[in-house]
Amino acid sequence: AQKITQTQPGMFVQEKEAVTLDCTYDTSDPSYGLFWYKQPSSGEMIFLIYQGSYDQQNATEGRYSLNFQKARKSANLVISASQLGDSAMYFCAMREVNTGFQKLVFGTGTRLLVSP
Amino acid sequence: SQTIHQWPATLVQPVGSPLSLECTVEGTSNPNLYWYRQAAGRGLQLLFYSVGIGQISSEVPQNLSASRPQDRQFILSSKKLLLSDSGFYLCAWSVEEAGGLDDGYTFGSGTRLTVV
Repeated sequence: AQKITQTQPGMFVQEKEAVTLDCTYDTSDPSYGLFWYKQPSSGEMIFLIYQGSYDQQNATEGRYSLNFQKARKSANLVISASQLGDSAMYFCAMREVNTGFQKLVFGTGTRLLVSP
Repeated sequence: SQTIHQWPATLVQPVGSPLSLECTVEGTSNPNLYWYRQAAGRGLQLLFYSVGIGQISSEVPQNLSASRPQDRQFILSSKKLLLSDSGFYLCAWSVEEAGGLDDGYTFGSGTRLTVV
């Protein structure tokens, strides 16, 4: 079964606008962590933001925020005031605690294109 | 500070040739090490992980193998490459803290392998 689902293969946004990248997850483990990574065309994976399953507040890191809806099992990434440099692939990932070794499982990614 | 080195950056190899990709970590001890593969336009697939010297776990049966001869060295190998081995290979590390969930992975810069 798919653990992480990213249903948007591609998204377009104009510079300075906000954009939401969707991510849903599937787990029966009450303790887990959710991550977002950015992959520019160079290929490196850049950590953006983390949300723990027990965190009461949505995580924020600068222009990035995570809209965490636990009951719906969604962890959408919101990028505010998009910049041209935000054009990249974005991956949602999950790490479970109680199901053996804490592997990071990735979704298939969303390609974001920011236009001037 | 912790850094991760991965080489080579690009590699073109003929079918049936051997492969050796190396990854080294600096600035940390006893890291968990990972090899991921990313096919063109796809998400990241975990191939191998290691929690210590000589300890290798395989996620996906395939034409590849991994070894960890030293604490901070992780090697991905193949005796005979297949066309399907082409892809972008990423090494990553993490450090497990007690009960810690927010230890995301730090990735290397990747190796783009093309098997011809």
